Amino acid sequence: DTEVTQTPKHLVMGMTNKKSLKCEQHMGHRAMYWYKQKAKKPPELMFVYSYEKLSINESVPSRFSPECPNSSLLNLHLHALQPEDSALYLCASSQPFEGNEQFFGPGTRLTVL
Amino acid sequence: DAKTTQPNSMESNEEEPVHLPCNHSTISGTDYIHWYRQLPSQGPEYVIHGLTSNVNNRMASLAIAEDRKSSTLILHRATLRDAAVYYCILRVSSNTGKLIFGQGTTLQVKP
Repeated sequence: DTEVTQTPKHLVMGMTNKKSLKCEQHMGHRAMYWYKQKAKKPPELMFVYSYEKLSINESVPSRFSPECPNSSLLNLHLHALQPEDSALYLCASSQPFEGNEQFFGPGTRLTVL
Repeated sequence: DAKTTQPNSMESNEEEPVHLPCNHSTISGTDYIHWYRQLPSQGPEYVIHGLTSNVNNRMASLAIAEDRKSSTLILHRATLRDAAVYYCILRVSSNTGKLIFGQGTTLQVKP
């Protein structure tokens, strides 16, 4: 199984809502990532988890809260988002060494009203 | 963080080779050069990576300049399914695997 799954595929939320994005992989990878991609722009790294511990936070606002409950799951909790947070949120996984490819999920398309 | 520079767009004819260039003049000695592509409405997909030597796999070839300040992704016979945004990326030398995406090259393949 070389697939990274993400749910939901689409999410519409208001600025006062709380929602969560989920990501799952069963490749035994010990590094997992969240990226944000705005339309016609490259993906931008948000968070990196290595061995279930947060290793990189790219100065992401606290309204985005990542969680890695185990080595197969990665969540992104959303609270009090702004319309400019509307984007495609991509999850990826890899072994945490240089040179190892990252496997990306299809993303969650988030719209904040 | 070291950055990459790519042309915004390129065109190719179907079944012809395509050479996608990338400049990374500030690369450090242990940074890996990765290429990913993103088809419409999909997440990025790994294509190939290398450190110093040229690399081949079933999807493409990667030619790395001797000084490592530039590289070229080679698609030997472009198909319509190869139309995508191609990203040249430097993977920072660490155990976190941080990828720094450049702006990418949009490849159009004409039948």
